[in-house]
Amino acid sequence: SAVISQKPSRDICQRGTSLTIQCQVDSQVTMMFWYRQQPGQSLTLIATANQGSEATYESGFVIDKFPISRPNLTFSTLTVSNMSPEDSSIYLCSVEDQGAPNTEAFFGQGTRLTVV
Amino acid sequence: AQSVTQPDIHITVSEGASLELRCNYSYGATPYLFWYVQSPGQGLQLLLKYFSGDTLVQGIKGFEAEFKRSQSSFNLRKPSVHWSDAAEYFCAVVGTNAGKSTFGDGTTLTVKP
Repeated sequence: SAVISQKPSRDICQRGTSLTIQCQVDSQVTMMFWYRQQPGQSLTLIATANQGSEATYESGFVIDKFPISRPNLTFSTLTVSNMSPEDSSIYLCSVEDQGAPNTEAFFGQGTRLTVV
Repeated sequence: AQSVTQPDIHITVSEGASLELRCNYSYGATPYLFWYVQSPGQGLQLLLKYFSGDTLVQGIKGFEAEFKRSQSSFNLRKPSVHWSDAAEYFCAVVGTNAGKSTFGDGTTLTVKP
């Protein structure tokens, strides 16, 4: 298993500003995933982040809006840039089970973002 | 591409009654299937998972799920619901995209006293 810590747990931000969310894992992992959960909605994958390479973004998400860093095997950041109220969501970091690749995923508690 | 459908947006059951939440998936091979629960203001918690083998899997909190390949289903069940089970339930699949989970839209469970 893996324990994931996300910071901040919640924030209220002004429109037009940017917020960087941190994700720290207690073990080395190959792949890290960032999801968004809009109010009342399910989880949608934003991007996949591998250490040492550019993140891979899903359709509808672009690097300019959601830049991601992956400096090492235990840490990643997601930045929500030039925020608008539509970006108000829960953002979750996830990693896969290193003992059973391509199977189980573990999730952080999420970052609840409100843009005003 | 993999996909998950949860046909029921909202279900209400009385405390002590049985529960079944439906989940249908679309995937070319045998998928890895999961059920998560999310209580208000809380993170995701894994209830149970199916990788292979016995098609009836037991999870935490008295939940179980049955994988039926012929119906492409992975329905979640509980024989007697408790008020604390009120939450949002998500079915998810991991298939061709390594480690990447695809989620259903979720089912909101309300428990009546």
